[in-house]
Amino acid sequence: IAGITQAPTSQILAAGRRMTLRCTQDMRHNAMYWYRQDLGLGLRLIHYSNTAGTTGKGEVPDGYSVSRANTDDFPLTLASAVPSQTSVYFCASSEEGGTGELFFGEGSRLTVL
Amino acid sequence: GQNIDQPTEMTATEGAIVQINCTYQTSGFNGLFWYQQHAGEAPTFLSYNVLDGLEEKGRFSSFLSRSKGYSYLLLKELQMKDSASYLCAVRDSNYQLIWGAGTKLIIKP
Repeated sequence: IAGITQAPTSQILAAGRRMTLRCTQDMRHNAMYWYRQDLGLGLRLIHYSNTAGTTGKGEVPDGYSVSRANTDDFPLTLASAVPSQTSVYFCASSEEGGTGELFFGEGSRLTVL
Repeated sequence: GQNIDQPTEMTATEGAIVQINCTYQTSGFNGLFWYQQHAGEAPTFLSYNVLDGLEEKGRFSSFLSRSKGYSYLLLKELQMKDSASYLCAVRDSNYQLIWGAGTKLIIKP
């Protein structure tokens, strides 16, 4: 089934540890995004990539980095996790043209202690 | 600043009709989206409006007034499975999406 796969689904992490959330899509979409979702707040964009080889900063990029070596993969790395990064992280992609609607992965629930 | 406002929570009865409002103030406008998100799941696309008026899709309809910075999502013949959060998002002049915090809809039998 075509779509976006995120891993891990859930993770508990000690503060100060490095963590990479993986995201892979098989829809050949050029644009990909990482959002975090916290209770009472709208989805907030962390980083995005309009095409392979390019990335950009979103609304809340501090403490996170991304890479886009190819069309399919868009990993998100927390270099040194802090408790405020406890959240649900969603990877998404969109195709060019049409409405530009987002297709989301199932999410990665991260708890930093 | 840019802002999307929608009610935090609404309650409705199975079989009834409910309207979820969304007002926005953004830097430019390039479309408004509604997404549905069941608890513990990913958001899924419901509707897209870029011109004023009503877009109907089965039991769901979405309305847009650009001059008023206003949209609503209308859900008819409510079913228990419609219990979810409904997210309003506006694409601004930079083609970035600005998201509301979502409206949690509770359906009672």
